[in-house]
Amino acid sequence: NAGVMQNPRHLVRRRGQEARLRCSPMKGHSHVYWYRQLPEEGLKFMVYLQKENIIDESGMPKERFSAEFPKEGPSILRIQQVVRGDSAAYFCASSPLVSETQYFGPGTRLLVL
Amino acid sequence: GESVGLHLPTLSVQEGDNSIINCAYSNSASDYFIWYKQESGKGPQFIIDIRSNMDKRQGQRVTVLLNKTVKHLSLQIAATQPGDSAVYFCAETTYGNNRLAFGKGNQVVVIP
Repeated sequence: NAGVMQNPRHLVRRRGQEARLRCSPMKGHSHVYWYRQLPEEGLKFMVYLQKENIIDESGMPKERFSAEFPKEGPSILRIQQVVRGDSAAYFCASSPLVSETQYFGPGTRLLVL
Repeated sequence: GESVGLHLPTLSVQEGDNSIINCAYSNSASDYFIWYKQESGKGPQFIIDIRSNMDKRQGQRVTVLLNKTVKHLSLQIAATQPGDSAVYFCAETTYGNNRLAFGKGNQVVVIP
């Protein structure tokens, strides 16, 4: 049973470009969460989605960041016009139900030059 | 607010000894707690969880203790092995909430 899958594992972008991060939840999980981790810090919640719905985006920056979880396909975290401060590890987690244990993917490490 | 670039607290432990990692959580309303292990370059890996109606829970080689009075959580690892070397995070949340709040993490280094 495959775990949470994320791709790409590493992504390099120049300032002003767009970054697209993908997450496929564990089989049978319909709840997806995105977190960001800066070096030597814990993970910070960004957004919580169910299929075709954004449930809680209170941790998302107001501009340039968006997320979706379409009916078919992976969840996408999109960062437009990236800046150096966006460099971080972005982790996706999934759970079968809300308030259940969240299982994390391997992360995407974004480097903005 | 958060500080960036702080070195993580580090626990050095001899292989075979027991390890204890501590965590002070912030929200007295939190009722679900999880310990995660994160190895370098990888995502957080679930270790063990505990709900607020319990004060102790045991897994394989790991025990989590919860003291709600002082908002303290600990993870005990028995007979620490080299593969236990990692950063350990505690996370808290409340039932019905979707977000986990993570602590800063503790680095465990196992000395062979």
